[in-house]
Amino acid sequence: QVQLVQSGAEVKKPGASVKVSCKASGYTFTSYGINWVRQAPGQGLEWVGWISAYNGNADYAQKLQDRVALTTDTSTSTAYMELRSLRSDDTAVYYCARGWELDHWGQGSLVTVSS
Amino acid sequence: EIVLTQSPGSLYLSPGERATLSCRASQSVRSDYLVWYQQKPGQAPRLLIYGASSRATGIPDRFSGSGSGTDFTLTISRLEPEDFAVYYCQQYDTSPQTFGQGTKLEIK
Repeated sequence: QVQLVQSGAEVKKPGASVKVSCKASGYTFTSYGINWVRQAPGQGLEWVGWISAYNGNADYAQKLQDRVALTTDTSTSTAYMELRSLRSDDTAVYYCARGWELDHWGQGSLVTVSS
Repeated sequence: EIVLTQSPGSLYLSPGERATLSCRASQSVRSDYLVWYQQKPGQAPRLLIYGASSRATGIPDRFSGSGSGTDFTLTISRLEPEDFAVYYCQQYDTSPQTFGQGTKLEIK
């Protein structure tokens, strides 16, 4: 069955960077893109960006595009999201999800930014 | 960017009742690119409806989606206790893809 398994919770100081991983299994990794979505505590869903697992093309939310980088490693069927220059308002659960309709989701990775 | 406005923000109903949730777009969205999700506390969202009206795998037929252009609706015909959750619409017709702010369906 399709599974997306994300890395664990992280606590970072303001200004630091974080890299979250998303390991896919149960399907051909390069046949679907991966979207990243975040959810601040008690808030709604916010799109972070998308990456094609086929060719690495990426698209980012404008408010994050200067600080975020999405990558994939096809040899391990893993997608990564790196967010730099962290601020307190980056505190959120970060999800990876498969494809355009987000038909399968990872379990989420809590990133806490606090001094 | 396309703004999706969901209404109502909260909806109080009893099991067995019918729920109607609205998602209005600030500009036209092609139906193929309109999706609905359900999210329960502490869980990742779950895909319910894609292409505005197609149920995802394993989704009960009490869930239905409709609409076109700027007005879309999610209907739950007879509420079950497990349906009380937050529902989001999303469009990926135009980048950036955007989500509505959610409708919280609560037990009356």
